[in-house]
Amino acid sequence: AQSVTQLGSHVSVSEGALVLLRCNYSSSVPPYLFWYVQYPNQGLQLLLKYTTGATLVKGINGFEAEFKKSETSFHLTKPSAHMSDAAEYFCAVSEGGRRALTFGSGTRLQVQP
Amino acid sequence: DTGVSQNPRHKITKRGQNVTFRCDPISEHNRLYWYRQTLGQGPEFLTYFQNEAQLEKSRLLSDRFSAERPKGSFSTLEIQRTEQGDSAMYLCASSLGDREYSPLHFGNGTRLTVT
Repeated sequence: AQSVTQLGSHVSVSEGALVLLRCNYSSSVPPYLFWYVQYPNQGLQLLLKYTTGATLVKGINGFEAEFKKSETSFHLTKPSAHMSDAAEYFCAVSEGGRRALTFGSGTRLQVQP
Repeated sequence: DTGVSQNPRHKITKRGQNVTFRCDPISEHNRLYWYRQTLGQGPEFLTYFQNEAQLEKSRLLSDRFSAERPKGSFSTLEIQRTEQGDSAMYLCASSLGDREYSPLHFGNGTRLTVT
């Protein structure tokens, strides 16, 4: 069975600081991994995904994530936070031919001026 | 591309009543998903369709819940005899293709409050 753990339900950073949102997964087979973002009163949007190949994946809005199989992690980073990055971020995993994603519980990112 | 549309945006109902939600996916998207999201949690998978066929249902989906996707276009999710525990945001998503990593496009959700 697959599962996703997001460490830290709330993360607060200053504008211009590094953003690091943590995600660990458990999966019996190589997974597909995703980060989605949810702005207030909006639906979830795909930030980036890892399928196969290069383990460092770049997404929209300057975000990137690195798949580390040995650590079963897929942490999301951005070098410099912007006020507009304030949102809720969800890590998700798909495996074993299932079409359904399993989501983590989310991390709310606050950006302080 | 007008996006995934869900109606209504909000629904308040009394315990024991039946409710129905509608989802219009992005046209030509062959897959449609329903998820449920409660406060402080990530979306939980309920069910998904490929075209008109319902291919997977979560164990979360009790027999009070039923979903349809006639003709592989819009979908409806019905909850019978609602309970207070059904209060949540119900999310619909659609995708194109057959791969597990086809990106999901989410609607803005229907927020259900059961009083």
